[in-house]
Amino acid sequence: AQSVAQPEDQVNVAEGNPLTVKCTYSVSGNPYLFWYVQYPNRGLQFLLKYITGDNLVKGSYGFEAEFNKSQTSFHLKKPSALVSDSALYFCAVRASNFGNEKLTFGTGTRLTIIP
Amino acid sequence: DTAVSQTPKYLVTQMGNDKSIKCEQNLGHDTMYWYKQDSKKFLKIMFSYNNKELIINETVPNRFSPKSPDKAHLNLHINSLELGDSAVYFCASSPQGVNTEAFFGQGTRLTVV
Repeated sequence: AQSVAQPEDQVNVAEGNPLTVKCTYSVSGNPYLFWYVQYPNRGLQFLLKYITGDNLVKGSYGFEAEFNKSQTSFHLKKPSALVSDSALYFCAVRASNFGNEKLTFGTGTRLTIIP
Repeated sequence: DTAVSQTPKYLVTQMGNDKSIKCEQNLGHDTMYWYKQDSKKFLKIMFSYNNKELIINETVPNRFSPKSPDKAHLNLHINSLELGDSAVYFCASSPQGVNTEAFFGQGTRLTVV
């Protein structure tokens, strides 16, 4: 079985401050980790992914995420938050088990950037 | 050009009716999915198809029947709609492989009254 936990339903950050959105995962074998963003009344947009290699992954809109195998975490970060970053963020994990591939999402974290 | 398109965007219908949601992707992907997002924004996979073959069928009532006429299309038919079926349904596609990201449609907001 595979699962993703996003421990914070809501994160508030002042504009210009660094932001972190937390994600931990559980999966058998090697994890493939993803971050998506959802704006109101829109579909999910891919931000970045970790497959293998460098633990720090850079993605769209200045976001990055750090993979930590010992803590089974994949936190999303940005050095300086913008008001336009306000949205719903989802962490997801995928593992392959005899060809049965499933992308499992966390419960989402609503990020609000305060002007 | 829309990569993953769903129709309709909004669907309001009465309990007991049968309805379909259509999904098409022009990305050449082998794998397509249906996800359900409930009122609390939880996303749960319903079905996954790979080259028209069903590979994931989560614990979804058999009133829900996906159909994939070709690898670019994955439609969702729902029989005998219930109030609890009200949600946003997302179609997505990805290249085959565990390390590939999925691309999502804009969603279909289904309201059962």
